[in-house]
Amino acid sequence: DQQVKQNSPSLSVQEGRISILNCDYTNSMFDYFLWYKKYPAEGPTFLISISSIKDKNEDGRFTVFLNKSAKHLSLHIVPSQPGDSAVYFCAASAGNTDKLIFGTGTRLQVFP
Amino acid sequence: DTGVSQDPRHKITKRGQNVTFRCDPISEHNRLYWYRQTLGQGPEFLTYFQNEAQLEKSRLLSDRFSAERPKGSFSTLEIQRTEQGDSAMYLCASSEGPSNEKLFFGSGTQLSVL
Repeated sequence: DQQVKQNSPSLSVQEGRISILNCDYTNSMFDYFLWYKKYPAEGPTFLISISSIKDKNEDGRFTVFLNKSAKHLSLHIVPSQPGDSAVYFCAASAGNTDKLIFGTGTRLQVFP
Repeated sequence: DTGVSQDPRHKITKRGQNVTFRCDPISEHNRLYWYRQTLGQGPEFLTYFQNEAQLEKSRLLSDRFSAERPKGSFSTLEIQRTEQGDSAMYLCASSEGPSNEKLFFGSGTQLSVL
């Protein structure tokens, strides 16, 4: 059962434009959400997170939005840069466990 | 501090052989996690340690898999009698606290079982 879903396997965006990556979840017990970025031959690196008590968290060019009623979160990158080209994973955790559940990832390509 | 270190980076083995991977976490981190990632999938949780205690194991971790963290520092993951389905990237991560603290991942060990 895929509790965290990223339905878009890939996304292509022009440099300077906004990138929007989406993530849906099914488990209403999830109370913390994270985004990780992964370059080839490297492990995932933490990007930004949000607690379920918030609906928005911003860090520089990156903003995560959480819509609990829709069980949906999104990552906005603006402006997009070629160095943002990577695979982005959405992850979630529930308070009663210490493991992260990851989505399948979205490959973002930012072209000039 | 050089981050989370994993060894080896790549391992090719024949079906039925045993393999062991090592992970050295960030030194002040007391939590250590093992994940597995196959092509086209996100990382899947295998197990985690708080100090030397193994606190949770996924049902993915069959009896052929065993993980240890004997002194609460480095960890090893052993796979006995490897199968072709074990081919994957094995990722180690560490953190200072629970999962709502960000995990720091190593570069992983890519296992290929022939």
